[in-house]
Amino acid sequence: SSELTQDPAVSVALGQTVRITCQGDSLRSYYASWYQQKPGQAPVLVIYGKNNRPSGIPDRFSGSSSGNTASLTITGAQAEDEADYYCNSRDSSGNHLGVFGGGTKLTVL
Amino acid sequence: EVQLVQSGAEVKKPGESLKISCKGSGYSFTSYWIGWVRQMPGKGLEWMGIIYPGDSDTRYSPSFQGQVTISADKSISTAYLQWSSLKASDTAMYYCARRGYSGYEYYFDYWGQGTLVTVSS
Repeated sequence: SSELTQDPAVSVALGQTVRITCQGDSLRSYYASWYQQKPGQAPVLVIYGKNNRPSGIPDRFSGSSSGNTASLTITGAQAEDEADYYCNSRDSSGNHLGVFGGGTKLTVL
Repeated sequence: EVQLVQSGAEVKKPGESLKISCKGSGYSFTSYWIGWVRQMPGKGLEWMGIIYPGDSDTRYSPSFQGQVTISADKSISTAYLQWSSLKASDTAMYYCARRGYSGYEYYFDYWGQGTLVTVSS
């Protein structure tokens, strides 16, 4: 099985840029998808594939990848972006399984 | 509009059985895998397993293999997650999610609202 590692907490000043990272061997073969989860709500997909945003996701959210590290960047963070963020990838075994990172709590100051 | 609607909250005793559901609508239910995700209180998301309703092909994360059973009834566009003997440690929010795809890349593009399962004596 695979593991994905995220920093537990990150903070950003209002309007500034923040990068949330996710590390794991499976990311050398597959892109990460990223999910935003606010308290008491179901997760929401914000980035998938190389750098794709579902309809309705603001363009301040972007994704990138290098080696075994995937990143979610929020350019001009807003107060409403304060949430938990999770990365997800296919299992490195190549079957249909997947794995989530431990999550990053983003605080907007 | 794609929707996944999950069954309501459950309160059970240890040792009891349980089956929760996830009904899909607004898309071809048999053409997309449906996954189940656990979130224990105050904790992160855990990938449990996934089923393809078209032929009921099912895969489990090693941590959940033998602990739960995932099934689907394509005639009513519904996926299920069940336990034969609940434990207190099964107390969690459970989400179903549709797995979208782009080439070989997979992601959960639509999520249910979650089903809270509480197991307590």
